[in-house]
Amino acid sequence: KAGVTQTPRYLIKTRGQQVTLSCSPISGHRSVSWYQQTPGQGLQFLFEYFSETQRNKGNFPGRFSGRQFSNSRSEMNVSTLELGDSALYLCASSLGGDTDTQYFGPGTRLTVL
Amino acid sequence: GENVEQHPSTLSVQEGDSAVIKCTYSDSASNYFPWYKQELGKGPQLIIDIRSNVGEKKDQRIAVTLNKTAKHFSLHITETQPEDSAVYFCAATPRPTKNYNQGGKLIFGQGTELSVKP
Repeated sequence: KAGVTQTPRYLIKTRGQQVTLSCSPISGHRSVSWYQQTPGQGLQFLFEYFSETQRNKGNFPGRFSGRQFSNSRSEMNVSTLELGDSALYLCASSLGGDTDTQYFGPGTRLTVL
Repeated sequence: GENVEQHPSTLSVQEGDSAVIKCTYSDSASNYFPWYKQELGKGPQLIIDIRSNVGEKKDQRIAVTLNKTAKHFSLHITETQPEDSAVYFCAATPRPTKNYNQGGKLIFGQGTELSVKP
């Protein structure tokens, strides 16, 4: 079974631009969660989608948004990029239960100049 | 609020020794505790997990123990090998809130960089 895939793997943007990242979950998984990983803050939860609905949300500004499609693929968008948005963005998929295992993709490395 | 503390931040052991990483969590409602291993340039990979109805779980050289009363859980790696060198993260599920359930959210510890010297 194929794992979680994320595209693109690397991205360089400038301040003020916007960016869209994509995540394809493991086949049969209906939940996709997004995390931001930085050296200073570690792994922080952004939001989770289940069956095309945002079911859970972390403490990030409204510039961070996401969506999920009927095939469970998910995208996240960051508008008006700031230098501090430079990070590794990880998505994880699961069956969707509270204690179901989350499987992570390789991440998208975003650099904001 | 929700918080997971992980110690130590770095750990260096000789090949063949044991390694222990400890985490404490703040929310007594947490009921799922996974451990992930992250190698350079890769996403976190689940190595073992434990649910709150179990006190200990073992998988070959890896074991996890959970003490719900004290709100802490630990990862034990025996007979360490150089390929065990990586960053290890503990995590816990948060308490459901009025607007959100627990689904899909993990609170992570800050990570432990484990180095196994041959």
